[in-house]
Amino acid sequence: DIQMTQSPSSLSAFVGDRVTITCRASQSISSNLNWYQQKPGKAPKLLIYAASSLQSGVPSRFSGSGSGTDFTLTISSLQPEDFATYYCQQSHSTPLFGQGTKVEIK
Amino acid sequence: EVQLVESGGGLVQPGGSLRLSCVASGFTFSSYWMSWVRQAPGKGLEWVANIKLDGSEKYYGDSVKGRFTISRDNAKNSLHLQMNSLRAEDTAVYYCARVYWYSSSWYWDYWGQGTLVTVSS
Repeated sequence: DIQMTQSPSSLSAFVGDRVTITCRASQSISSNLNWYQQKPGKAPKLLIYAASSLQSGVPSRFSGSGSGTDFTLTISSLQPEDFATYYCQQSHSTPLFGQGTKVEIK
Repeated sequence: EVQLVESGGGLVQPGGSLRLSCVASGFTFSSYWMSWVRQAPGKGLEWVANIKLDGSEKYYGDSVKGRFTISRDNAKNSLHLQMNSLRAEDTAVYYCARVYWYSSSWYWDYWGQGTLVTVSS
């Protein structure tokens, strides 16, 4: 089975900071990688699909990159509403999420 | 507007059963694969099951295989999850989610608000 390793598990940042979250697959998943944002008590929300495609309605400060085994979610300028937990998810085989990254206010 | 509304959660004893439902609106339900995804309290997301458009194919996560059954009623725009032999570790919020296929891959583009299942004596 493919394993997904997401890092860091948490981070603290200021509003306006550039934030990067990484996700590594144990074997190649091509570009079959999606990113979700989840706020407390709410359902996950799709941000990025196919590693780098921005979902409709998602602000352009969010971007994704990578292919094969290494992927990155970048928030170019962190906004107050971006404080949440972020999950990567591979859709190459049996669906599997990364462990999550909690982004907190510094 | 796409809406997914889950129901059926609650408190159940270990070894018991529960049936979750998800009613869809705002899209052609029969044209989409559907899924159940769960989240234990304070934990990450875990895929539970997928079902094809007409229910002819079903897939399950290892942790629920043989105990849970996913089904759908396209005439009623509804998705179900029959959960048997429940364990404490099945305690979670259960989300239904719509699968969107593109090219040769997919993602979950719409999610319900979730329904809480608590397995405890």
